[in-house]
Amino acid sequence: GQNIDQPTEMTATEGAIVQINCTYQTSGFNGLFWYQQHAGEAPTFLSYNVLDGLEEKGRFSSFLSRSKGYSYLLLKELQMKDSASYLCAVMDSNYQLIWGAGTKLIIKP
Amino acid sequence: GAVVSQHPSRVICKSGTSVKIECRSLDFQATTMFWYRQFPKQSLMLMATSNEGSKATYEQGVEKDKFLINHASLTLSTLTVTSAHPEDSSFYICSARDLSREGYNEQFFGPGTRLTVL
Repeated sequence: GQNIDQPTEMTATEGAIVQINCTYQTSGFNGLFWYQQHAGEAPTFLSYNVLDGLEEKGRFSSFLSRSKGYSYLLLKELQMKDSASYLCAVMDSNYQLIWGAGTKLIIKP
Repeated sequence: GAVVSQHPSRVICKSGTSVKIECRSLDFQATTMFWYRQFPKQSLMLMATSNEGSKATYEQGVEKDKFLINHASLTLSTLTVTSAHPEDSSFYICSARDLSREGYNEQFFGPGTRLTVL
């Protein structure tokens, strides 16, 4: 079966760095996405990785290792507004998104 | 660019009534749209894939006669929840792919519709 694993919840301090991991097993691979979702709102796109390596975009970076079925989202200089759920999703061979359950990130002052 | 809108954003209805939710791609054509449902503190669950001009493809366990999907144009898909019951109360989110962007697989999400069935 297809499976996406990510931690349920993480806590970090304002101004610090946090890494959210995601491992996956899917039928085929057409890219891995990270989305941010605030409570009661729809997800918003953060990053897309289809090749191995690190993609940096401002305070957020995303890493992918296809051979290991592994990705992480790195958030630097954490701000209170970064408190949200972070969803890892993999696009399979049928171009369908397979979603992880999301990681709730709690930022403390 | 790549904006998706949903209407209504919030709806409260009585049990047994039907509710229609619209999903529009505002600045691009979307041959494929996706309908998701999300219960509190859970991840997105794909309900169906909506293809313009053809029947929707429903995920296992989703009743196609209860959740009617119509994708009549390249910019509009509708989801109708028929004979709604309290257990249908959820956050319904649509997304669309911009296939004009070759090799770009991002799905653009609408803002979601909060359905509450009394």
